[in-house]
Amino acid sequence: QVQLVQSGAEVKKPGASVKVSCEASGFTFTTYAMHWVRQAPGQGLEWMGWINAGNGNTKYSQKFQGRVTVTRDTSANTAYMELSSLTSEDTAVFYCARQFYYGSGGYWYFDLWGRGTLVTVSS
Amino acid sequence: DIQMTQSPSSLSASVGDRVTITCRASQSISRYLNWYQQKPGKAPKLLIYSASSLQSGVPSRFSGSGSGTDFTLTISSLQPEDFATYYCQQTYSAPPITFGQGTRLEIK
Repeated sequence: QVQLVQSGAEVKKPGASVKVSCEASGFTFTTYAMHWVRQAPGQGLEWMGWINAGNGNTKYSQKFQGRVTVTRDTSANTAYMELSSLTSEDTAVFYCARQFYYGSGGYWYFDLWGRGTLVTVSS
Repeated sequence: DIQMTQSPSSLSASVGDRVTITCRASQSISRYLNWYQQKPGKAPKLLIYSASSLQSGVPSRFSGSGSGTDFTLTISSLQPEDFATYYCQQTYSAPPITFGQGTRLEIK
């Protein structure tokens, strides 16, 4: 079954770090890029960064640069997102999503999403 | 960064209504525009890609149009399951990938 399975909810204290996992199954993990998207309660979608699961190259949003690290373990078909220096404003659901390319014009979209991981930051 | 602005931010409509949501980019993005639907507590779901291509399995009452800076998502006849929040997304210039702020579609 083609799916992305994310790790469970986390509660963290301000200043701590959190690492969320996203395990891929049913497809060849290393032929895709994996993205991370944050959604604060009642708010919209905010892109954080991505990793090329094949070569490990990453790109990040300037907003999270320096605080976010996206990695992958090809032996486990898993992508990870670590966010450091957490504040209450990081309380959110974090989604991983698969990037799907089509055609010859560089078009792509998110065709597969994980169910999301709720991270609560509270003292 | 390319800014994406959706209008309206919220919308009340009735089952059977025709609804249009607009997304405007701060600069031309050709047709690098996708639409997603999100229901409460769920991950977003792709509806439309490349501005007007219907994702497999999505009902034909959904359609998209536009290019350059102005795009629309139209639902031709609202069904009860369509009440959700809708987001546009540009992939023309990344990073960063940017989303519109969302349009919440509510039952009148």
